[in-house]
Amino acid sequence: AQSVSQHNHHVILSEAASLELGCNYSYGGTVNLFWYVQYPGQHLQLLLKYFSGDPLVKGIKGFEAEFIKSKFSFNLRKPSVQWSDTAEYFCAVNGWDNDMRFGAGTRLTVKP
Amino acid sequence: DGGITQSPKYLFRKEGQNVTLSCEQNLNHDAMYWYRQDPGQGLRLIYYSQIVNDFQKGDIAEGYSVSREKKESFPLTVTSAQKNPTAFYLCASSLRQGDDEQFFGPGTRLTVL
Repeated sequence: AQSVSQHNHHVILSEAASLELGCNYSYGGTVNLFWYVQYPGQHLQLLLKYFSGDPLVKGIKGFEAEFIKSKFSFNLRKPSVQWSDTAEYFCAVNGWDNDMRFGAGTRLTVKP
Repeated sequence: DGGITQSPKYLFRKEGQNVTLSCEQNLNHDAMYWYRQDPGQGLRLIYYSQIVNDFQKGDIAEGYSVSREKKESFPLTVTSAQKNPTAFYLCASSLRQGDDEQFFGPGTRLTVL
């Protein structure tokens, strides 16, 4: 069955550390890819998305993600995290049946 | 102020009772969705609607029902047939169903006692 996997359940970093959150999906066709973020007590909101073109996409708040088709991956990165990045991050894929599928989420805790 | 509203924020019900969660949007979006969020499982799709008077089952539709009589509104009923209804429920909308970005409401936390 098609699925979206996020490798890390909970990541703990110190401020200024670099971040990479993994996301893999299992579908060989055309996909649209998304990263959403849920800050404590706030709505789920879009960080960035990839539909086509440059596989390196930039989003809000200094986040970026790279689509590597051969690896079925769409990893999220940020060179230097801040305490305010503490949140839960969800990878989502739209492709096989035109429905959005979400990963289980990665909780990021940034220590000041 | 455009957006999606869900009410109430917290809801408590006794086992065996049906309960309806409200979702309204003023974004003029055609598509609306209901998700269930459980710890460690991400978001799972319950139902979606591409257009008024039409809706489709998602991955975990059993024990739930929806209606879409107006473009702005997509209420979700959690019936007594739902075996494990205690969860956080999120409503979302997008311009069209499919590849568009989805916009989310604040969610309703349902606790069945």
